[in-house]
Amino acid sequence: DAGVIQSPRHEVTEMGQEVTLRCKPISGHDYLFWYRQTMMRGLELLIYFNNNVPIDDSGMPEDRFSAKMPNASFSTLKIQPSEPRDSAVYFCASSPGTGGNQPQHFGDGTRLSIL
Amino acid sequence: SQQGEEDPQALSIQEGENATMNCSYKTSINNLQWYRQNSGRGLVHLILIRSNEREKHSGRLRVTLDTSKKSSSLLITASRAADTASYFCATVFTGFQKLVFGTGTRLLVSP
Repeated sequence: DAGVIQSPRHEVTEMGQEVTLRCKPISGHDYLFWYRQTMMRGLELLIYFNNNVPIDDSGMPEDRFSAKMPNASFSTLKIQPSEPRDSAVYFCASSPGTGGNQPQHFGDGTRLSIL
Repeated sequence: SQQGEEDPQALSIQEGENATMNCSYKTSINNLQWYRQNSGRGLVHLILIRSNEREKHSGRLRVTLDTSKKSSSLLITASRAADTASYFCATVFTGFQKLVFGTGTRLLVSP
């Protein structure tokens, strides 16, 4: 059974460039989460979707960040324009439920470096 | 901040010893979960304990929850080098629908 798949695994780009991170959740999972992990701030929830609809985007740091989920098997997180402070590891996770009643399944993340 | 605090931040032990990690939080919760993260990998779910439960076991893992003290502990018995990882608690606070992760404990198990 395939887990959550994220691409790319590593991304290095220059400040000002557009960055697109991709995620394929586990089939049948209704919830999809995007997290960011840094040494300073730990693991932060950016946004989550239920049945492809964004439910809570209060963690999105600013308008430069956007996320979409066009169908149940694909989601993107876009940063435009990117800045050095966006450097972090970005994780996608999916679960069959929320509210803490179900475990979340994480991908292996995208390590993003903005020069 | 509602983020859970974990203690210790780092723990170094020998194979075969037990490892205990603690998590404290500030407000009432629905559930608490523990996750492991190996270096360069995503988080892996270990155990979920509900607010009306006091203890749960899974293999060499034992989790306790004390809602009166707003704290939880994760015990790994007979540790192995492969247990080397960071361990995070995550809570769902009453009235909210999302997990809030703690700061994590880095565990190093030496052969």
